Amino acid sequence: AQSVAQPEDQVNVAEGNPLTVKCTYSVSGNPYLFWYVQYPNRGLQFLLKYITGDNLVKGSYGFEAEFNKSQTSFHLKKPSALVSDSALYFCAVSHLEGGFKTIFGAGTRLFVKA
Amino acid sequence: DTEVTQTPKHLVMGMTNKKSLKCEQHMGHRAMYWYKQKAKKPPELMFVYSYEKLSINESVPSRFSPECPNSSLLNLHLHALQPEDSALYLCASSQAGPPSYNEQFFGPGTRLTVL
Repeated sequence: AQSVAQPEDQVNVAEGNPLTVKCTYSVSGNPYLFWYVQYPNRGLQFLLKYITGDNLVKGSYGFEAEFNKSQTSFHLKKPSALVSDSALYFCAVSHLEGGFKTIFGAGTRLFVKA
Repeated sequence: DTEVTQTPKHLVMGMTNKKSLKCEQHMGHRAMYWYKQKAKKPPELMFVYSYEKLSINESVPSRFSPECPNSSLLNLHLHALQPEDSALYLCASSQAGPPSYNEQFFGPGTRLTVL
């Protein structure tokens, strides 16, 4: 069965500092990995995905993520955090045999202090 | 147009009411989804339509009834709901083709309160 874990409920970072939001996954076969962001009272917004190829994936708003197969991780990173990055971040995983099903992690709340 | 729209934004209904949630996209996507999201929790998949046919029903109670009238529209009909059904209901869509690696585009959601 496929699963995804986000070990931190909340991440606090000062504006201008680098940020990392962690994600690990478990799936049989090749994983397809996604990051979404959710602002209050809004739907989820796609940030980036890893399907195949280069392990470093660049996405929207300066975010990037690194796929690490040996550690089964897909951590989200940004070199310099903004207060406006404060939101709820979801890692998600799917795989070919899973069809339309995407499994979401529990979410990590990012709080960026000015 | 890269938007998924949902109406209404808010809905309050009694346990004996019948209401419907509506979702629309004009991106040419052929897969559409309904999710239920409780506060501070991840979205839970309810239904998936692919090419206007129901392809996944995640054992959702029959008081929720989905409908896909055409490739751009998705409805969720509600009847005899329970207070625990109160949640944010999200609609999403994605491109056709191998579904597992297509990102989903989400609407803003309908905040449902069942009294």
